[in-house]
Amino acid sequence: NAGVMQNPRHLVRRRGQEARLRCSPMKGHSHVYWYRQLPEEGLKFMVYLQKENIIDESGMPKERFSAEFPKEGPSILRIQQVVRGDSAAYFCASSPFRGMGTDTQYFGPGTRLTVL
Amino acid sequence: SQQGEEDPQALSIQEGENATMNCSYKTSINNLQWYRQNSGRGLVHLILIRSNEREKHSGRLRVTLDTSKKSSSLLITASRAADTASYFCATREDNFNKFYFGSGTKLNVKP
Repeated sequence: NAGVMQNPRHLVRRRGQEARLRCSPMKGHSHVYWYRQLPEEGLKFMVYLQKENIIDESGMPKERFSAEFPKEGPSILRIQQVVRGDSAAYFCASSPFRGMGTDTQYFGPGTRLTVL
Repeated sequence: SQQGEEDPQALSIQEGENATMNCSYKTSINNLQWYRQNSGRGLVHLILIRSNEREKHSGRLRVTLDTSKKSSSLLITASRAADTASYFCATREDNFNKFYFGSGTKLNVKP
């Protein structure tokens, strides 16, 4: 059973370009979370999705950022018109379902975005 | 904010010693989890403790939870150089979807 997969692992973009980050959850997992991590800091929640639904996007900036988790295929975090401040590591985590004591998250290796 | 905070921010010990890290949070929680992150890697789940539990063990790890003080501690016994990593606590409130991660404790175990 493959773990959570993220690609690309490293992404370089110039200011104003678009960044697309992909996350394939573990097999059988229908819950996906996206986090952002700046150097020497903890993870900041961005968005929580289930298949075809955005459940909680309260941690995501209102502009330029969007996320989806289609019925088929990976979850996508999309950043339009990137700025230098978007440079960070973006982690995806998946879990099988949410419930008392059962919401352990399994993390992918992350995508390191560098905006020049 | 609910965000957990770990202390110390950094901890350096010799191999074989015990390492203790603490986490404090602000509101009622459903559960608290500890994760480890090696440099440049994703997080690895270590242990989950529910709000109605006070102590939990897993191998060389011991986690305590004091909901009255809104704090948790992670003890790593007989540390090894391979334990060198950053350790984060994460909390989730009842009926909320977000997980809050602290800023982490950077542990260095010297061989």
